[in-house]
Amino acid sequence: QKEVEQDPGPLSVPEGAIVSLNCTYSNSAFQYFMWYRQYSRKGPELLMYTYSSGNKEDGRFTAQVDKSSKYISLFIRDSQPSDSATYLCAMSDNFNKFYFGSGTKLNVKP
Amino acid sequence: GAVVSQHPSRVICKSGTSVKIECRSLDFQATTMFWYRQFPKQSLMLMATSNEGSKATYEQGVEKDKFLINHASLTLSTLTVTSAHPEDSSFYICSARQPTQVRTYEQYFGPGTRLTVT
Repeated sequence: QKEVEQDPGPLSVPEGAIVSLNCTYSNSAFQYFMWYRQYSRKGPELLMYTYSSGNKEDGRFTAQVDKSSKYISLFIRDSQPSDSATYLCAMSDNFNKFYFGSGTKLNVKP
Repeated sequence: GAVVSQHPSRVICKSGTSVKIECRSLDFQATTMFWYRQFPKQSLMLMATSNEGSKATYEQGVEKDKFLINHASLTLSTLTVTSAHPEDSSFYICSARQPTQVRTYEQYFGPGTRLTVT
């Protein structure tokens, strides 16, 4: 079983839609959760960081962590064509090693 | 700030040859650099953690004699793929962390190097 599971998509939505991206994981020791955005032929860039369970909001982005279900989500409100990218979830128990999902490719159509 | 570069961005080499990939932190000093490998539609897989001035720590299943890592300075780490084979073809990405970083979860990624072994 993979440490982190993420639906690869692709996910195609119209501009302005609310996007929901999700990951599940198996290691209950994970307590640090991150979402990265990766444009084609670029390295990932950090979008959101959450510690333990709960919600965190930053502009149009909301990250949710449910440790009891081992499930994390990223919501994008009022999605824009510029949000089209691959979104990777990542998690860690001690910051010495990060475990990444395979990424979900998102396409926001104008 | 916090820019990481990689060179080359793309390389094609013949089977049996060696290839060196450079990872540089351009505007900060990085005591720790990570090397990842990414296959199409798969996760970033950590290959090794590189600390300046000491030997790299390799993940289980990664051959240290095949993937040589040298973190010679606070701004440069290199990954050398020795005697490359077609199965080594992949996307290699490095990331770097600052030594006095309060937010230790933050790592800055390079743009990656696409290696194709023919």
